[in-house]
Amino acid sequence: RKEVEQDPGPFNVPEGATVAFNCTYSNSASQSFFWYRQDCRKEPKLLMSVYSSGNEDGRFTAQLNRASQYISLLIRDSKLSDSATYLCVVNTPGGFKTIFGAGTRLFVKA
Amino acid sequence: DTAVSQTPKYLVTQMGNDKSIKCEQNLGHDTMYWYKQDSKKFLKIMFSYNNKELIINETVPNRFSPKSPDKAHLNLHINSLELGDSAVYFCASSAVTSGGAGEQFFGPGTRLTVL
Repeated sequence: RKEVEQDPGPFNVPEGATVAFNCTYSNSASQSFFWYRQDCRKEPKLLMSVYSSGNEDGRFTAQLNRASQYISLLIRDSKLSDSATYLCVVNTPGGFKTIFGAGTRLFVKA
Repeated sequence: DTAVSQTPKYLVTQMGNDKSIKCEQNLGHDTMYWYKQDSKKFLKIMFSYNNKELIINETVPNRFSPKSPDKAHLNLHINSLELGDSAVYFCASSAVTSGGAGEQFFGPGTRLTVL
């Protein structure tokens, strides 16, 4: 089993759609969790941290379920500019090893 | 003011050569990383340094040797380059607290092509 697994992509959605990405991780002792966004030929950038209580930033909502070792990202009212690869990221105990999921590619069409 | 910078941005070289990639961060972070992103876009950690000390070495061939002269710099030297080393190499830095590593800030990447 991979340490961090994400939904296979790509996701092709129309503008205005709601899209959800899922991610599971294998190490139950993992400490911190994030969603990053990577545009084509660019570096990854933090989209949002993920907390057990859930957190929202505008159109983006992230959830963490530690019991199920599951992380989700919900994007509402998709924009063309949301087209990118979304990376699920997990830090192992100790905090120095970061595991990136393989990424899920999102295409938002007009 | 660039937070994490890498040089060079592009590197094209022949098999068997030795090359270096430099990384600098001006964020005051104690922890720096090297990642490799291959042609399938999978981003994999190679090394993690904390306060100039190697913390993580993810079974990277010993042809790859990171060097951290100070907390703001983490350079990557690669000996005897092979075709399979062609990839984009990203440097990153972060603060680390008792809760683990925080947000990682990435450099723009170095696209290495080995011919």
